[in-house]
Amino acid sequence: GNSVTQMEGPVTLSEEAFLTINCTYTATGYPSLFWYVQYPGEGLQLLLKATKADDKGSNKGFEATYRKETTSFHLEKGSVQVSDSAVYFCALNAGGTSYGKLTFGQGTILTVHP
Amino acid sequence: GAGVSQSPSNKVTEKGKDVELRCDPISGHTALYWYRQSLGQGLEFLIYFQGNSAPDKSGLPSDRFSAERTGGSVSTLTIQRTQQEDSAVYLCASSLAETGVSTEAFFGQGTRLTVV
Repeated sequence: GNSVTQMEGPVTLSEEAFLTINCTYTATGYPSLFWYVQYPGEGLQLLLKATKADDKGSNKGFEATYRKETTSFHLEKGSVQVSDSAVYFCALNAGGTSYGKLTFGQGTILTVHP
Repeated sequence: GAGVSQSPSNKVTEKGKDVELRCDPISGHTALYWYRQSLGQGLEFLIYFQGNSAPDKSGLPSDRFSAERTGGSVSTLTIQRTQQEDSAVYLCASSLAETGVSTEAFFGQGTRLTVV
């Protein structure tokens, strides 16, 4: 079946530090990959996505590259801010018979201190 | 409305009671999803509606859980004879259409269900 594995948190960083949150997946076919973010007290929001191998999704200074050879979609940001404190979820949509469904990772809590 | 709307935002119920959770998707979105977010389990897919097709119920954890979508819009998730392990945040999401494998889902704020 399809699955997503994220690095366990929580992750605590100082402002302006470099962020990496690892995400690897297992899926048949060619899934689309997503990062969703959940800010405190808010609903899930799409942060970025990539639909095919070697695509790079980017938004708000965050980037992730779809690596088919390593089945990975690691999230990176060069300089985090306090406002980036949130829970980050990696997810995939495998299409095919699971069309429209998202499989999520466990989520990674990020806390950024001033 | 502007986004996916869920009600109630919080629900406390006694064990054994039935509950109904409501979702109003974004207008025009043909696909609607229910997920459950609980401690230690992350986000679990429950059920998926797409247009007039039969729903994908493969994620429902037991026959106490059911959902319907009336008129292709509003959806209700019903949990019968609630148990304490049903306590979780129930999230609804909708998306515009089946557009290939790139399906952007927009999520509501969720309903926090507590079974006491």
